[in-house]
Amino acid sequence: GQQLNQSPQSMFIQEGEDVSMNCTSSSIFNTWLWYKQDPGEGPVLLIALYKAGELTSNGRLTAQFGITRKDSFLNISASIPSDVGIYFCAGHNAGNNRKLIWGLGTSLAVNP
Amino acid sequence: DAGVTQSPTHLIKTRGQQVTLRCSPKSGHDTVSWYQQALGQGPQFIFQYYEEEERQRGNFPDRFSGHQFPNYSSELNVNALLLGDSALYLCASSLSVRGLHQPQHFGDGTRLSIL
Repeated sequence: GQQLNQSPQSMFIQEGEDVSMNCTSSSIFNTWLWYKQDPGEGPVLLIALYKAGELTSNGRLTAQFGITRKDSFLNISASIPSDVGIYFCAGHNAGNNRKLIWGLGTSLAVNP
Repeated sequence: DAGVTQSPTHLIKTRGQQVTLRCSPKSGHDTVSWYQQALGQGPQFIFQYYEEEERQRGNFPDRFSGHQFPNYSSELNVNALLLGDSALYLCASSLSVRGLHQPQHFGDGTRLSIL
């Protein structure tokens, strides 16, 4: 099935550093969602974006819906050990608000 | 306020068997979507149920079927299990509002292992 291009695949950073990851699509998307998944658990919604250019924050997390509607990024500022996990981007194609299309995830490791 | 709950949490089956997985949506949600997540991959959309009907399906064979009950809970059935069906099966619920995008909230999944 269709997948989003998510990068980087993995990151290993020091506690306190900022993190940036992004997601691109070959087609226009109407929504962009960012989820975090911890081992043995389901994805947890972090941020939802619904308009091109929209910039939304959730605590230390900030995400933006790209102007072209084909990309999104997620930034994490001042990382802490509990930020460890796999971050997924997901979205809905234009005209289809039912099926979520996903990236392959970014695995984040934080060194205390 | 209970979130999305799935049962069982783990299941082991052998090839050729059949399995039924269950999902209760988050309170107030009326739509249930099912996803298959292989190890190291992102979730893949199986299908979505609304008003007790399947209203969209991903690229999965007919061995995968589902049902939604009047209380919005849902079941995923997989027949003639194959080794490749081993995965984490995730249920997500949302509220359908015409013209509005509503985010999907996920359960912790059922880990299905096929021997």
